[in-house]
Amino acid sequence: SQKIEQNSEALNIQEGKTATLTCNYTNYSPAYLQWYRQDPGRGPVFLLLIRENEKEKRKERLKVTFDTTLKQSLFHITASQPADSATYLCALSMDSNYQLIWGAGTKLIIKP
Amino acid sequence: NAGVTQTPKFQVLKTGQSMTLQCAQDMNHEYMSWYRQDPGMGLRLIHYSVGAGITDQGEVPNGYNVSRSTTEDFPLRLLSAAPSQTSVYFCASTQGGINYGYTFGSGTRLTVV
Repeated sequence: SQKIEQNSEALNIQEGKTATLTCNYTNYSPAYLQWYRQDPGRGPVFLLLIRENEKEKRKERLKVTFDTTLKQSLFHITASQPADSATYLCALSMDSNYQLIWGAGTKLIIKP
Repeated sequence: NAGVTQTPKFQVLKTGQSMTLQCAQDMNHEYMSWYRQDPGMGLRLIHYSVGAGITDQGEVPNGYNVSRSTTEDFPLRLLSAAPSQTSVYFCASTQGGINYGYTFGSGTRLTVV
């Protein structure tokens, strides 16, 4: 069956360290992978998009990698801050038809 | 720039009642979609539209209807509410293209009793 897996357990990280979140998928061949941030009671907010032919993409303190052989994307936040605490969602798109398939998200807690 | 606006923010319905969740965007996005979010599960696509006059079903369409008469508006109708439809509903839009993500509304928390 097709699955997208994100760690369901909360990830606790000390402020200033690098937080790394994982998104694994099976039985998909995604063309694009997106990462979103969601705060309690709010809608998801788009962060980064990476294509299947891109290994890595960066935006300020954020870095996303995409390994189609391992069927995995890693999302890194460097120099983490308590304000980075949120749930982070990954989503796959098979092609340019705009439909996304979502993971359940990982809750990130940055401790001062 | 308002982005995607959803109303209401909260709603309680009795089983069997009908209602419409409103969604409007002011970004001239062609693609709009409705998702539901339940605890421990990823967002699930209910219906989507690739432009005015065009709608299609997503993963979980049963019990919901949509229409898209204008680019801006994409209402979601619950025909006869059931407790299984208790959820948080999100509307999202995108201008498309490979470098653009989705813009989400702030959600409607619906409880069916």
